[in-house]
Parts: sequence; structure tokens; C-alpha cells
Amino acid sequence: QKEVEQDPGPLSVPEGAIVSLNCTYSNSAFQYFMWYRQYSRKGPELLMYTYSSGNKEDGRFTAQVDKSSKYISLFIRDSQPSDSATYLCAMSAAGGGNKLTFGTGTQLKVEL
Amino acid sequence: SQTIHQWPATLVQPVGSPLSLECTVEGTSNPNLYWYRQAAGRGLQLLFYSVGIGQISSEVPQNLSASRPQDRQFILSSKKLLLSDSGFYLCASGQPNTEAFFGQGTRLTVV
Repeated sequence: QKEVEQDPGPLSVPEGAIVSLNCTYSNSAFQYFMWYRQYSRKGPELLMYTYSSGNKEDGRFTAQVDKSSKYISLFIRDSQPSDSATYLCAMSAAGGGNKLTFGTGTQLKVEL
Repeated sequence: SQTIHQWPATLVQPVGSPLSLECTVEGTSNPNLYWYRQAAGRGLQLLFYSVGIGQISSEVPQNLSASRPQDRQFILSSKKLLLSDSGFYLCASGQPNTEAFFGQGTRLTVV
């Protein structure tokens, strides 16, 4: 079993839809959670960072963490064609070099 | 915020040739530095990380090595490339227990 599980998609939604992206994890030591957006042939771009259970909002993006269920989500409101990309969840444990463990990424396409 | 510079963006190298990929970081001091490799559909695999000058930890046995000659410089090397070394190589930087920032990557094709 992988430490971090993420549905690879592809996920196709119409413009303006609310998108829900999810990851589950098995390592209870993970305390820091990130979502990255990656366009084709580019490096990952940090979207959200959180270290506590609950919700964190930034513009059209909301990150949700449920440590008791080992489940994190990213919601995108009013999705745009420019949101079409691969979304990667990542997480790390405290101390020990801050190494990130990534999901395999979910490919999202927002259609006009 | 941090800026991570990686070069070259693309590279085609013959089997058996040496490799040197360089990463430099701006906007932070004494960061943790990382080399990841990304294969299609497989997410990011951590290859090396460094918590300071000259301190390198390897995550997987492989044909590659890393060095950190300066605080904000991280180099990925190989003496003899294999076909299996092809991939998308990403350098990342972050302070302990915070988020990590990535460069734009080097796409390496070994032929």
C-alpha cells in the first residue's frame, strides 16, 4: 500500500463547476500538507499549505484536512479552463529533513 | 519568496556519458534542498536531500549522486548515464517544517 493515495483521473468538468480533489494517507506522522498545480512540462507550483485539521481558504481554492480520517481535499470554485493541469498532494512529517511524500497526481480538464 | 533556478531545461545525452545538473536558490538562507525525479504517471520520487553544505542523504540506490558545494547550490551528477536515467528532474527548496518550492525542471532523455 502506498503511503499517499490519489485518484489519477482524468477528471473533466465544465467551466464554472466546483472541483473536488482528494488524497488519503496511511502515515499518522504526516503533519504538513500541501497542494501543488503542475502544468505540462513545468515544475509544480505551490497552491496551498496547511498544518492543522480544518479548512484554509485562498481565493477560489479551499484546502481541507481531516487528520482523524487521514484525508485531505482541495476544492476549486468557479473553475476556469486555466485550471486545467495536474494537481499533486504532498505531505511531510515533523523533523527529519522535511521530506515530501507525493500522491501520483490528478489530471484535471476544465472545458468551455 | 524563494526562486529556484534549474538548467538546462532539456537535455539529450548518449548512454555512458556524464551528467551534471545544477540548481541554485535565491531568497532564502540555509534551506533544505531536494532532487526529485518524476516519471509519467508515477508522481515524484525523492532522490536526494540536503540539510546543509556537504550533507547529502540518498533515498534510493541508483546511478546518480548529489553534492552541495555552497549553501544555495545543489548539483545532481552521474559518471555514466543509463537509459533508465531518463526522466524529469526537479530541484526543490524549503525551510524545515514548511512548504517546498520547485524549479522548472530538466527533462533528460538518454539515447
